[in-house]
Amino acid sequence: EAGVTQFPSHSVIEKGQTVTLRCDPISGHDNLYWYRRVMGKEIKFLLHFVKESKQDESGMPNNRFLAERTGGTYSTLKVQPAELEDSGVYFCASSHLGTGVEKLFFGSGTQLSVL
Amino acid sequence: GESVGLHLPTLSVQEGDNSIINCAYSNSASDYFIWYKQESGKGPQFIIDIRSNMDKRQGQRVTVLLNKTVKHLSLQIAATQPGDSAVYFCAEIHPGPVHKYIFGTGTRLKVLA
Repeated sequence: EAGVTQFPSHSVIEKGQTVTLRCDPISGHDNLYWYRRVMGKEIKFLLHFVKESKQDESGMPNNRFLAERTGGTYSTLKVQPAELEDSGVYFCASSHLGTGVEKLFFGSGTQLSVL
Repeated sequence: GESVGLHLPTLSVQEGDNSIINCAYSNSASDYFIWYKQESGKGPQFIIDIRSNMDKRQGQRVTVLLNKTVKHLSLQIAATQPGDSAVYFCAEIHPGPVHKYIFGTGTRLKVLA
């Protein structure tokens, strides 16, 4: 079974540019999450999709961040325009939709560097 | 506020010794806890979990201890091996209609040969 895949693995952009990160969850996983880790800090929640619907987007830093999950399969996270403080590792995770706590499976992350 | 923190950002351990990684959490309502291991270039991977109605759980070479009185979680790794070198994150899960994972800052474990 393929795991959670993220693309690109690394992205280096200049301040003001746009970047789009992609996440393909494990097939059949309705829950999809985006997290971010800034160097040396905790993994912070950004948002949560259940299928194509945004269940919780309370962690999105501001309106420069836009996440979509059309069709309830893969998801994209766009940062426009990027700022220096957006640098970090962006992780995507997915899990089954169940009544209990479902284990999160993480992708390898996208290392974003904004110069 | 809600927070999950770690006492030591870096832990160096001699190969073969036991490792103990600590984590403090602040939300007494959290009812489920997980330890993740993140190796370089990879995403966090599940190691072991524990529910709040337990105080100890053992896996293969790993043990998680939960002390709800002081809101403390620890991960013990027996006979630490070079392959254990990684960053370890604890996560607390808040109950509710939507389960929310709150992660700590992570502890880097370095295994010395």
